[in-house]
Amino acid sequence: GQQLNQSPQSMFIQEGEDVSMNCTSSSIFNTWLWYKQDPGEGPVLLIALYKAGELTSNGRLTAQFGITRKDSFLNISASIPSDVGIYFCAGMNYGGSQGNLIFGKGTKLSVKP
Amino acid sequence: DSGVTQTPKHLITATGQRVTLRCSPRSGDLSVYWYQQSLDQGLQFLIQYYNGEERAKGNILERFSAQQFPDLHSELNLSSLELGDSALYFCASSRRPGQGINYGYTFGSGTRLTVV
Repeated sequence: GQQLNQSPQSMFIQEGEDVSMNCTSSSIFNTWLWYKQDPGEGPVLLIALYKAGELTSNGRLTAQFGITRKDSFLNISASIPSDVGIYFCAGMNYGGSQGNLIFGKGTKLSVKP
Repeated sequence: DSGVTQTPKHLITATGQRVTLRCSPRSGDLSVYWYQQSLDQGLQFLIQYYNGEERAKGNILERFSAQQFPDLHSELNLSSLELGDSALYFCASSRRPGQGINYGYTFGSGTRLTVV
C-alpha cells in the first residue's frame, strides 16, 4: 500500500529559528495535508494543498505540494514555544467513495526558549 | 472542541476482553473514519463509514469491527484484546468521503486504550 516517509523524526531548535520538514511518497496523491497534534488531543489541520506546485501559507507556516505529486514540505518561520508538538503530513486521493488519509509517522518538534 | 465527540476518553481493560469505543461525528458530517495511533506505527487508518455503510477498510484486524448507526454515530468494537492493542484510537468525520478540507476532516480527542 501507499507509504509516506516523513523526516526528520524529531527536531530540537531554539526559539526564533526556522523549521523545515518534509514528506515523500511512493505514489502520487492529489491532496497533501499537514496536521499538528498536541499531547492528549487529536490532530488539527494546519494547511491543505490541492494542486501540484501549490505554495500555501498560514501565518508563520508555509507548505508546498511537490511538482511530482509525491512530496510536500512544511516550513515554520520564527518558531515560538507553542509550536511544540508533533507534525504529521498526510496524503489523500479524494473522489469516488473513499477519502481516507495516509499519514506520515510525524516530526516531533521541541523548542527551547 | 472540534465537534467530534469520542467516549470514553480513557479505558483500561484486561487481555482477552472486549470493549466498545464510541464516536459522534460533527453535526452534518456523514462520513466517519477510525484511526489507531501507537508509538511505533503512527496514525493507521482502520475503517471508514459513510451514511451507515462501510466504504473502505485499512489495516483493521479481524478481531475489530465497527458500525455506523442511523443517527450517524459510530462504534468501534475491539475483542479478544491483546497487549499490543494498547493505543490511541481516533475518530474523524467529514461531510462526504474525501471532502476533507473545506468542510472539515475533523478529528476527535481520541480514546486511550490500555490493555493490561
